[in-house]
Amino acid sequence: GQNIDQPTEMTATEGAIVQINCTYQTSGFNGLFWYQQHAGEAPTFLSYNVLDGLEEKGRFSSFLSRSKGYSYLLLKELQMKDSASYLCAVRDLMNRDDKIIFGKGTRLHILP
Amino acid sequence: EPEVTQTPSHQVTQMGQEVILRCVPISNHLYFYWYRQILGQKVEFLVSFYNNEISEKSEIFDDQFSVERPDGSNFTLKIRSTKLEDSAMYFCASSAPGPATGELFFGEGSRLTVL
Repeated sequence: GQNIDQPTEMTATEGAIVQINCTYQTSGFNGLFWYQQHAGEAPTFLSYNVLDGLEEKGRFSSFLSRSKGYSYLLLKELQMKDSASYLCAVRDLMNRDDKIIFGKGTRLHILP
Repeated sequence: EPEVTQTPSHQVTQMGQEVILRCVPISNHLYFYWYRQILGQKVEFLVSFYNNEISEKSEIFDDQFSVERPDGSNFTLKIRSTKLEDSAMYFCASSAPGPATGELFFGEGSRLTVL
């Protein structure tokens, strides 16, 4: 089975940096995604990690440690529009096919 | 930019009725998915579909549910005899094959309300 844990809610200040952690347990790990979801909208892709290390994309970075079953999403220079839920998702390769399973999401509140 | 489209955006139905949710995936994608999100809860995997057959399904996806790709563009989710607890946002997603990330591209969702 799969288990994905991330904090339920976090609060940060506009202009600051925030790190959202995710731990996972899966039988056939084949990559980790971070998605952003604004209330009432569809998830949108932010990042993908399959090898250990840091992937940087503008203000957002994502880190993966496969041996620790751990990832984080780092958001810099926070803006009010970054207020959203951030979903950690793991691709679990089972048998011949894989599926992408989502965690419960971390709701990020940005304060002015 | 190509996108996944879903219809209807919102459907209200009576308990026990059948519902069909429609999706048009991105044209060169080969993997198709249905997810659901009950209000305030997480995005839950329902089913994945590849090469005209189900490749994976979750325990949620029981005999009440079925998927079909009736032609070259549409991908449908049928819910038979809807229950109150089926009320949720249903997201269709597609992804491309090959060495790419396999990133899921989501549609805007179909909100189902069962009364």
